[in-house]
Amino acid sequence: EVQLVESGGGLVKPGGSLRLSCVTSEFTFTNAWMTWVRQVPGKGLEWVGRITGKSNGETTYYAAPVKDRFIISRDDSKNTLYLQMNSLKTEDTAVYYCTTGICSGGRCHYDDAFHMWGQGTMVTVSS
Amino acid sequence: QSALTQPASVSGSPGQSITISCTGTSSDVGGYNYVSWYQQHPGKAPKLMIYEVSNRPSGVSNRFSGSKSGNTASLTISGLQAEDEADYYCSSYTSGSTLVLFGGGTKLTVL
Repeated sequence: EVQLVESGGGLVKPGGSLRLSCVTSEFTFTNAWMTWVRQVPGKGLEWVGRITGKSNGETTYYAAPVKDRFIISRDDSKNTLYLQMNSLKTEDTAVYYCTTGICSGGRCHYDDAFHMWGQGTMVTVSS
Repeated sequence: QSALTQPASVSGSPGQSITISCTGTSSDVGGYNYVSWYQQHPGKAPKLMIYEVSNRPSGVSNRFSGSKSGNTASLTISGLQAEDEADYYCSSYTSGSTLVLFGGGTKLTVL
């Protein structure tokens, strides 16, 4: 069974940093485009950013609220996705999910249809 | 960029059909056939129910269907069942500064 397992969440003070990890298994991680989505408890989903696979240059793209503060990276040898969060703000408090797109009919919907999700990890930014 | 617009709540009785709307702009919903719908039960991760406006992933009941007209997409659930009670989110690919926009979510109550 495909698994995505996030870790690294916790309590951090405003201005601090945190690194989230997403370990995948039973899944061809190499070259899969991976995405981070967050959700404030009780609120809606928010796209955070995405990284393409190595064959596509590991290109990253970020939502405006996190651009220049968050960095997405990956280690294909460890089947692991990362989210480095710097200069954290109280509004970054949320559950963070890693996810990837559905592949069907020879095409993968990496940027529009998220099919596999982790269980999420909670990040709380508070003094 | 603003989130896509969904009704905050809808309700229906078992066996009935309901429709949830998702309104965007010509830069997202209206401009691409890349609208998806997600079901989320409390404390769980979202589950993809519809992608590319009307396609169902393997294993999703055919009671769930999607459509789009102009800048508004819709999710219809027929033959409502108790287990359908959940939050539903739409999403769309967008040409804006964010690649993907989500709707604010709709709470479905099965009466």
